[in-house]
Amino acid sequence: NAGVTQTPKFQVLKTGQSMTLQCAQDMNHEYMSWYRQDPGMGLRLIHYSVGAGITDQGEVPNGYNVSRSTTEDFPLRLLSAAPSQTSVYFCASSYRVSGANVLTFGAGSRLTVL
Amino acid sequence: GQNIDQPTEMTATEGAIVQINCTYQTSGFNGLFWYQQHAGEAPTFLSYNVLDGLEEKGRFSSFLSRSKGYSYLLLKELQMKDSASYLCAVRDSNYQLIWGAGTKLIIKP
Repeated sequence: NAGVTQTPKFQVLKTGQSMTLQCAQDMNHEYMSWYRQDPGMGLRLIHYSVGAGITDQGEVPNGYNVSRSTTEDFPLRLLSAAPSQTSVYFCASSYRVSGANVLTFGAGSRLTVL
Repeated sequence: GQNIDQPTEMTATEGAIVQINCTYQTSGFNGLFWYQQHAGEAPTFLSYNVLDGLEEKGRFSSFLSRSKGYSYLLLKELQMKDSASYLCAVRDSNYQLIWGAGTKLIIKP
């Protein structure tokens, strides 16, 4: 199993550009999510999905879109990049261990918006 | 509002024991998680507590007191590879995860 695969690892954008961060998992997990991580702050949930065709907003959804057409893929789209979206983005899927839903994270995508 | 508090940074010596505290104020409680995150890498799962008490897993243990809104992660026989950030996260009444900012642990020889 490759686990959770994110691409690209690094990206530099100009303000106003759009892009898609790709996320794929091969573990047949129903739950997938996108987080952003900023210095001095906890991980913040952007969007999540509990299964193919179902998505919902997290804590900080503005400026981002998601779709979930298959169980495996959960891309995150930045519609019009802003400097405030400079961050490290993590995709995660969830599995159940001893009654807990444990997150498995991708390696992260470091995005800089100029 | 919901809040998770952890110390920003701690320093410990190789071979020693360190305790990383986490206090939380959340709307409801449905479990507490600890994750380890090495610099430039993804967080990885360490432990889960939903009932009061101590959970031991090798060199790592995690303790929970729900009445006090408090948890700690205990790391024994510290190794240089334990240098990392340790993230505390609480699942609230809506089953959403609330994350602390993390504690950066520096291990010195």
